[in-house]
Amino acid sequence: AQKVTQAQTEISVVEKEDVTLDCVYETRDTTYYLFWYKQPPSGELVFLIRRNSFDEQNEISGRYSWNFQKSTSSFNFTITASQVVDSAVYFCALSGNQAGTALIFGKGTTLSVSS
Amino acid sequence: ETGVTQSPTHLIKTRGQQVTLRCSSQSGHNTVSWYQQALGQGPQFIFQYYREEENGRGNFPPRFSGLQFPNYSSELNVNALELDDSALYLCASSFMVYTDTQYFGPGTRLTVL
Repeated sequence: AQKVTQAQTEISVVEKEDVTLDCVYETRDTTYYLFWYKQPPSGELVFLIRRNSFDEQNEISGRYSWNFQKSTSSFNFTITASQVVDSAVYFCALSGNQAGTALIFGKGTTLSVSS
Repeated sequence: ETGVTQSPTHLIKTRGQQVTLRCSSQSGHNTVSWYQQALGQGPQFIFQYYREEENGRGNFPPRFSGLQFPNYSSELNVNALELDDSALYLCASSFMVYTDTQYFGPGTRLTVL
């Protein structure tokens, strides 16, 4: 069975601090995809990144970076120099490679950035 | 490019009633997936539609049903509403059936009294 675990329920930081959101996944598929979504208070899930299981290169996009390690089944997300606008719930998600496959979400990490 | 839209934004129903939620997919997308997100939880997959047919289903009872139309828009119908159906219902569209990135709409907040 597929599973995503986000052990950090809530994180509070002060602006300009760096913060890492952890994501651990379980799957028996050899081909799979990992995602991060951001959910601000408005409720809409905003896509941030997608990674396939064959691409372990880390990625940086502005203040955001992602570290994918198959050896530890982890796909962690780091925000550098956090800002108040980063306050949101962040979800890590996993999907397989079959027809009708669904996104399996973790329970999310609520990030609060104060000024 | 138009993103995913959903209607209505909010809805209040009473137990036992029926409800229909609507979703318009992003331009160029042919697959629609529906998710239920209870308060404080991650979204749970309800089902997916591709070319007007159900293409996969999560662990939801048959009173949750759906449709996809030729223009790829979709409806989610829930019969015999229960209190536990109160949640945010999210629609996501994608271009391909397999694991393409799903882009979400703003959701419909359903409250069942």
